[in-house]
Amino acid sequence: GQQLNQSPQSMFIQEGEDVSMNCTSSSIFNTWLWYKQDPGEGPVLLIALYKAGELTSNGRLTAQFGITRKDSFLNISASIPSDVGIYFCAGQAGTNAGKSTFGDGTTLTVKP
Amino acid sequence: DAGVTQSPTHLIKTRGQQVTLRCSPISGHKSVSWYQQVLGQGPQFIFQYYEKEERGRGNFPDRFSARQFPNYSSELNVNALLLGDSALYLCASSFFQGSTEAFFGQGTRLTVV
Repeated sequence: GQQLNQSPQSMFIQEGEDVSMNCTSSSIFNTWLWYKQDPGEGPVLLIALYKAGELTSNGRLTAQFGITRKDSFLNISASIPSDVGIYFCAGQAGTNAGKSTFGDGTTLTVKP
Repeated sequence: DAGVTQSPTHLIKTRGQQVTLRCSPISGHKSVSWYQQVLGQGPQFIFQYYEKEERGRGNFPDRFSARQFPNYSSELNVNALLLGDSALYLCASSFFQGSTEAFFGQGTRLTVV
């Protein structure tokens, strides 16, 4: 089946630094999603990407849909302590948000 | 407006028992999906229901079943529990099957001992 490889697995950064994480797939996706999950909570959608090459921002977050449709990346600029959490990429072969394939997450730790 | 609500929040069961988890979608949403999230991994798709019909099933054994009610709430049932079924079970709701956004509940933490 479809698999997503998300890297890095974990990151330890200083407050104020920029962060970059990415996701690659063995299959083509039509939609890429980026979620953040805090302890004891469900994932919360951060950014959705619908077109190859698309670059979308949400505040300090920027994500891009790769040209090959097999990858995506997420950047966080000027990190703050509340950015701590697990970031997941998810892909959809069709346009059905209820049936997404998730990566295994990048755990972000921000040191004040 | 209430978000996706799941009950119970935590549950401890013994191997071989059966469990039922419940989910109420966001008001107006007609699609409910269930995911299993094992510690240290991303959520894995189990089922999607839309308009009370199963619209998708992930790679899970027949011990897993679900249904959706006329009010669009849903139940996930797992029979003959195994230790490996211990996980966070997440419910996600979306407006319709082809929606590009889904909203997750906080999950039910199931521990099988």
